[in-house]
Amino acid sequence: KAGVTQTPRYLIKTRGQQVTLSCSPISGHRSVSWYQQTPGQGLQFLFEYFSETQRNKGNFPGRFSGRQFSNSRSEMNVSTLELGDSALYLCASIEGTNTGELFFGEGSRLTVL
Amino acid sequence: DQQVKQNSPSLSVQEGRISILNCDYTNSMFDYFLWYKKYPAEGPTFLISISSIKDKNEDGRFTVFLNKSAKHLSLHIVPSQPGDSAVYFCAANYGGSQGNLIFGKGTKLSVKP
Repeated sequence: KAGVTQTPRYLIKTRGQQVTLSCSPISGHRSVSWYQQTPGQGLQFLFEYFSETQRNKGNFPGRFSGRQFSNSRSEMNVSTLELGDSALYLCASIEGTNTGELFFGEGSRLTVL
Repeated sequence: DQQVKQNSPSLSVQEGRISILNCDYTNSMFDYFLWYKKYPAEGPTFLISISSIKDKNEDGRFTVFLNKSAKHLSLHIVPSQPGDSAVYFCAANYGGSQGNLIFGKGTKLSVKP
């Protein structure tokens, strides 16, 4: 079974630009979550999608948005990039149990200059 | 306000000895507690979890202990191996929000040969 695929793996943007990151979950998984990892804050929850609906949202500004498609693939978008948005963005695929076990992709490393 | 805290940013242990990683939490409503391991340039991988109704869970060399009265959990690795060197994240969730994990900031474990 293929794992979670995130693209692109690395990207560099400048302040004010926008970025779109993509995530393909494990086949059969209908939920995905997105996390931001920074050295100072650790992993912070961005949002969770199930069957194309946002189920939960973390405490991030409206510049951060996401969506999920009918094939369970998900995208997240960050508009008007700021230097502080430089981070590793991780997508996690959720099997559907209540145990909290998530299957993470390798992440997309965003650098904002 | 950090709901999940890992107060030790790093830990160094000799190969073959026990590694003990600690985690404190503040929210008594958490249903599950999990440990994830992360190598550089990879996404976190699930290690072991424990339900809030248990006080111990064991999986091979890894054992997690939960002390609800102290709001404290710990991960024991016995015996430690150099391949265990990684960043370990403690996480917790509410049962109704399986994709929304609250993570600690991580402890970097170094196992010396």
